[in-house]
Amino acid sequence: AQSVTQLGSHVSVSEGALVLLRCNYSSSVPPYLFWYVQYPNQGLQLLLKYTSAATLVKGINGFEAEFKKSETSFHLTKPSAHMSDAAEYFCAVSDHLGGGADGLTFGKGTHLIIQP
Amino acid sequence: DAGVTQSPTHLIKTRGQQVTLRCSPKSGHDTVSWYQQALGQGPQFIFQYYEEEERQRGNFPDRFSGHQFPNYSSELNVNALLLGDSALYLCASSLKRATTQYFGPGTRLTVL
Repeated sequence: AQSVTQLGSHVSVSEGALVLLRCNYSSSVPPYLFWYVQYPNQGLQLLLKYTSAATLVKGINGFEAEFKKSETSFHLTKPSAHMSDAAEYFCAVSDHLGGGADGLTFGKGTHLIIQP
Repeated sequence: DAGVTQSPTHLIKTRGQQVTLRCSPKSGHDTVSWYQQALGQGPQFIFQYYEEEERQRGNFPDRFSGHQFPNYSSELNVNALLLGDSALYLCASSLKRATTQYFGPGTRLTVL
């Protein structure tokens, strides 16, 4: 079985500061890893994905994430926070790009708050 | 390029009733997955449909059932609704179960 742990249900940063959202995963097979963002009353939008091609993955809106196998981590970063980044962020794992036997397994989410 | 669409956007039902939610996949996609997102939680996988058959299923009771039509659209049916079924129901589509899943805006179900 796979699992995802997102450290910190709420993260608050100042506008222009570094954003760091933490994600640790558990998987018995090489994982596919994803970060999705959810704005209020909306569905999930894919930010980026890791598919074993490169350990540093660049996504939309200036976000990137680094896959570290030794630490079983896939933390999401952005150098400079913008007010529009305020949202809920979900890390997800799968044993297959299309969802695998158990679909995507999501963490509980991290609510990102941007202080002006 | 049409994205994933879901209907209705909101729905209110009472305990014991039945509900049907609908999803149209992104243009070019043929696989539909359904997820339940309870308030304050991450989405949980319900099941996946491909070639009009349920291919994978998460840990949900038989009260949750689905269907996929020849045009790849899908329905999620929930019978004998419980208060705990109140959630945002998300549909995601992909191609041949092998590509990244793209999500729709969801249907907010409230059970009273």
